[in-house]
Amino acid sequence: ETGVTQTPRHLVMGMTNKKSLKCEQHLGHNAMYWYKQSAKKPLELMFVYNFKEQTENNSVPSRFSPECPNSSHLFLHLHTLQPEDSALYLCASSLGRVSNQPQHFGDGTRLSIL
Amino acid sequence: GESVGLHLPTLSVQEGDNSIINCAYSNSASDYFIWYKQESGKGPQFIIDIRSNMDKRQGQRVTVLLNKTVKHLSLQIAATQPGDSAVYFCAEMNDYKLSFGAGTTVTVRA
Repeated sequence: ETGVTQTPRHLVMGMTNKKSLKCEQHLGHNAMYWYKQSAKKPLELMFVYNFKEQTENNSVPSRFSPECPNSSHLFLHLHTLQPEDSALYLCASSLGRVSNQPQHFGDGTRLSIL
Repeated sequence: GESVGLHLPTLSVQEGDNSIINCAYSNSASDYFIWYKQESGKGPQFIIDIRSNMDKRQGQRVTVLLNKTVKHLSLQIAATQPGDSAVYFCAEMNDYKLSFGAGTTVTVRA
């Protein structure tokens, strides 16, 4: 059982819909991350939160809006997405914004934009 | 720009043989490296890590080798099993941020 849980596992939405992805970690970590994984491409870092504060926004379009209410929960709010946003969205957590510590991933949300 | 890459996108291995997956990195400032395994329908799973002050680290059936001189990282899997079929990613860390390679798909032949 993974220590990082993502819901939903699959999501199909139209371009005008609003939806949210949820991530919860049970590892006692302080840093959480959103990544985008597209076919045949390396994982792309989107956002980083450390102790609930956003420390990184990797030039992500504003149609993606993250929220981190506490160190255990992370959301990604979606609005007016484009077909090229279809991908696997992965959440990860780590002990903190430090080096030499692995990130642990959830199983992702497979997002399809119609 | 600097990137992490894998030498081969696919690797086919006979069950029971040893597997070697290679990775080249270009950022000499990276001080920590991780290998991940991703099975179909799942997220990347941590396999093993190594710090830049080491050149070898062993786990259960896996060994990671780091050659900082040529900026090369490898993952060796002993006695490869069908359950080892997956995509393997190397990742390098610099300033707490991870950069990932594109992955090598390992297929184990029975």
